[in-house]
Amino acid sequence: DTAVSQTPKYLVTQMGNDKSIKCEQNLGHDTMYWYKQDSKKFLKIMFSYNNKELIINETVPNRFSPKSPDKAHLNLHINSLELGDSAVYFCASSGTGDQPQHFGDGTRLSIL
Amino acid sequence: GENVEQHPSTLSVQEGDSAVIKCTYSDSASNYFPWYKQELGKRPQLIIDIRSNVGEKKDQRIAVTLNKTAKHFSLHITETQPEDSAVYFCAASLPGTASKLTFGTGTRLQVTL
Repeated sequence: DTAVSQTPKYLVTQMGNDKSIKCEQNLGHDTMYWYKQDSKKFLKIMFSYNNKELIINETVPNRFSPKSPDKAHLNLHINSLELGDSAVYFCASSGTGDQPQHFGDGTRLSIL
Repeated sequence: GENVEQHPSTLSVQEGDSAVIKCTYSDSASNYFPWYKQELGKRPQLIIDIRSNVGEKKDQRIAVTLNKTAKHFSLHITETQPEDSAVYFCAASLPGTASKLTFGTGTRLQVTL
């Protein structure tokens, strides 16, 4: 009964390709997030959706496009992958407002 | 925007000793301060959090203190055990519909036997 699940767990692909990562939560939360954790372990927020509406959009290249078909799902599509996109991408969810965030297991993206 | 600094970057303690990790934040409007533990290759897991209307919170061997005037907060782990070894992240969040967490740079805690 994984609360926040991401697929795939590992993604190895070549520069220039387009890829998607999917996230689903079964906690009944209204808010979902994408974070990027780089090789130095620094965690930085990328996007957040509340009830399918984009509410946080940090300075992220527009090659990254999130989509939330419903409040339980948040996907991340990345176009024209670059070497610098190699990282672990974490999905998280929380209730509305300043509520604890629960993280998924992460997707390790490696660009060759 | 918010900026969070975290010290030390690495911390080695002997089993049974206490460990203290300190963070400072820049925006006095921040009102929510969680701490996450991340084991190698795993997801960040919330271990304790504190809100700006509280000065201290304790959960068994873990405690967090908040000094709003000085804009700093600290994590205290007592009677450390080898399974406490991990990277610990502090974070701060401004009020809003979503909790926009700004994370510190992490502290790698090593508990030795």
